[in-house]
Amino acid sequence: EDQVTQSPEALRLQEGESSSLNCSYTVSGLRGLFWYRQDPGKGPEFLFTLYSAGEEKEKERLKATLTKKESFLHITAPKPEDSATYLCAVQASGSGYNKLIFGAGTRLAVHP
Amino acid sequence: SQTIHQWPATLVQPVGSPLSLECTVEGTSNPNLYWYRQAAGRGLQLLFYSIGIDQISSEVPQNLSASRPQDRQFILSSKKLLLSDSGFYLCAWSEWTGAHTDTQYFGPGTRLTVL
Repeated sequence: EDQVTQSPEALRLQEGESSSLNCSYTVSGLRGLFWYRQDPGKGPEFLFTLYSAGEEKEKERLKATLTKKESFLHITAPKPEDSATYLCAVQASGSGYNKLIFGAGTRLAVHP
Repeated sequence: SQTIHQWPATLVQPVGSPLSLECTVEGTSNPNLYWYRQAAGRGLQLLFYSIGIDQISSEVPQNLSASRPQDRQFILSSKKLLLSDSGFYLCAWSEWTGAHTDTQYFGPGTRLTVL
């Protein structure tokens, strides 16, 4: 069964304290791995898509990497405005359409 | 640019009452449309997806239904709500680009509380 697990469930950082969020996945063939940011009470906001192991993408203080079994979202020198829930999702090649399988998310709190 | 709207933003309904949530997309044609539900502390669960008018597939058996009366309009309905239907409902759209996958973009969501 296709599955996505995110860790930790919650993370508290001081402003400027870099860290990484983990997304482990088990799928029957990966078509794409997606990272989203979700603020409380709002819909997820698209951040990155990764397609193959070794791929990396960056946006401001965020950098996403992908291996054959997991993805990391690295946050460099975070600011309080980076506080949000970060969601990871995968599309499996076995699905006949663009079904996304989501993890439960990591709640990030960055304190000044 | 494309935008996606959902309404209402919040809704409180009694058990056994009907439901209608609406989603519309602007700035694109023939989008793929999706309905998700997000329960507290859990990942998003796909409920329905649609690749065109009157082409809707259900992911999870339940007392909900979906319809797509127009190209860019997607409606989630129920005849009788259950307590377990409470949650955050999200509509999403994607555009087929010819790549081996396409990105889904989410609306602002509807918070449904069933009492």
